[in-house]
Amino acid sequence: NAGVMQNPRHLVRRRGQEARLRCSPMKGHSHVYWYRQLPEEGLKFMVYLQKENIIDESGMPKERFSAEFPKEGPSILRIQQVVRGDSAAYFCASSPGTGVSYEQYFGPGTRLTVT
Amino acid sequence: SQQGEEDPQALSIQEGENATMNCSYKTSINNLQWYRQNSGRGLVHLILIRSNEREKHSGRLRVTLDTSKKSSSLLITASRAADTASYFCATADRFLSGGYQKVTFGIGTKLQVIP
Repeated sequence: NAGVMQNPRHLVRRRGQEARLRCSPMKGHSHVYWYRQLPEEGLKFMVYLQKENIIDESGMPKERFSAEFPKEGPSILRIQQVVRGDSAAYFCASSPGTGVSYEQYFGPGTRLTVT
Repeated sequence: SQQGEEDPQALSIQEGENATMNCSYKTSINNLQWYRQNSGRGLVHLILIRSNEREKHSGRLRVTLDTSKKSSSLLITASRAADTASYFCATADRFLSGGYQKVTFGIGTKLQVIP
């Protein structure tokens, strides 16, 4: 059973370009979470999605950031008009559902560098 | 300030010694989890302890939870060089409407085990 997959692993973008980060959850998982980790910091929650629904986007910046989890295909985190401050590691996690003592399974992350 | 603050921020020990890391949090939680992150890599789930549990073991790991003090500790016994990594505690709030939990990470403890 393959784990959570993220691609690309490393992404370099110039200021003003768009960044698209992809996350394929574990097989059978329908819940996806995105986190951002700035250098020397812990992970910060960004958004929680179920298939075709954004459940909680309270951690997402109001502008330039968007996320989707379509019925078919991976979840996408999209950052428009990137700025240097967007440079970070972006982690995706998935879980099989809700309920007592579930755990989130994390992907390897995408390291975004904005030059 | 954020939920889940680890202490110390950095720890350096000799191989074979025990390593203890602490985590404090502020609000009521449903469960608390510990994760490991090797440099430049994704997160690895270590152990989950529920709010009604006081202690849990997994191999060389021992986790305690004191809900009255809102604190947890992670003990790694007989440390190995391969244990060198950052360790994060993550707290899960009570279930929100819709049945999911928001997981909040601390900034982590950097552990260095010297061979």
